[in-house]
Amino acid sequence: EVQVSESGGGLVQAGGSLRLSCAASGFTFSSFAMSWVRQAPGMGLEWVSHISGSGAATFYADSVQGRFTISRDNSKNTVYLQMNSLRAEDTALYYCAKVRSQLYTYMDVWGQGTTVTVSS
Amino acid sequence: DIQMTQSPSSLSASVGDRVTITCRASQGISIWLAWYQQKPEKAPKSLIYGASTLESGVPSRFSGSGSGTDFTLTISSLQPEDFATYYCQQYDSYPLTFGGGTKVEIK
Repeated sequence: EVQVSESGGGLVQAGGSLRLSCAASGFTFSSFAMSWVRQAPGMGLEWVSHISGSGAATFYADSVQGRFTISRDNSKNTVYLQMNSLRAEDTALYYCAKVRSQLYTYMDVWGQGTTVTVSS
Repeated sequence: DIQMTQSPSSLSASVGDRVTITCRASQGISIWLAWYQQKPEKAPKSLIYGASTLESGVPSRFSGSGSGTDFTLTISSLQPEDFATYYCQQYDSYPLTFGGGTKVEIK
């Protein structure tokens, strides 16, 4: 079964850092891009970042550019999101998701999410 | 950035009703559009990609149409398990963007 599972969320003060992890299983991890999507309390979905299967290509939302870094370790079937200079507006449930393919870059498998709370 | 605008933001409907949700892109995105369903306290689930292709296992009462800037998600006969929030998402270009969501509630 194809699965992804996030961890690493928690409570952090504004200006602090946190690293999220996403462990994947059930598919050839290095062949698929991965994305992070977040959802603030009571709000809609916001795409955060994307990394290609090899890790060579990365993309970010304007709201996190320069503060967040996505990376992956294909030997561990894990993708990471390093979040620095956190702000109150980064408070959200963060989902990790598998990208369908190079042609169809939407998210077809989602984890249950990990909660990040930034206190001001 | 491509802006995605969904309408309505919410609707009330009864079991058996035909429901239509629209999604408009601020510029042409060909057919690079996906639809998701999200139930309370659950992760989103992909329903449709390529504007009109159903994911495996998605009931045939769901359908998608459109290309360019205007898209539609239709539920032909609303079932109790379909009450949820629906999002469109464009994947024509980065940054990937979602619509604001449409909450489908029970009348």
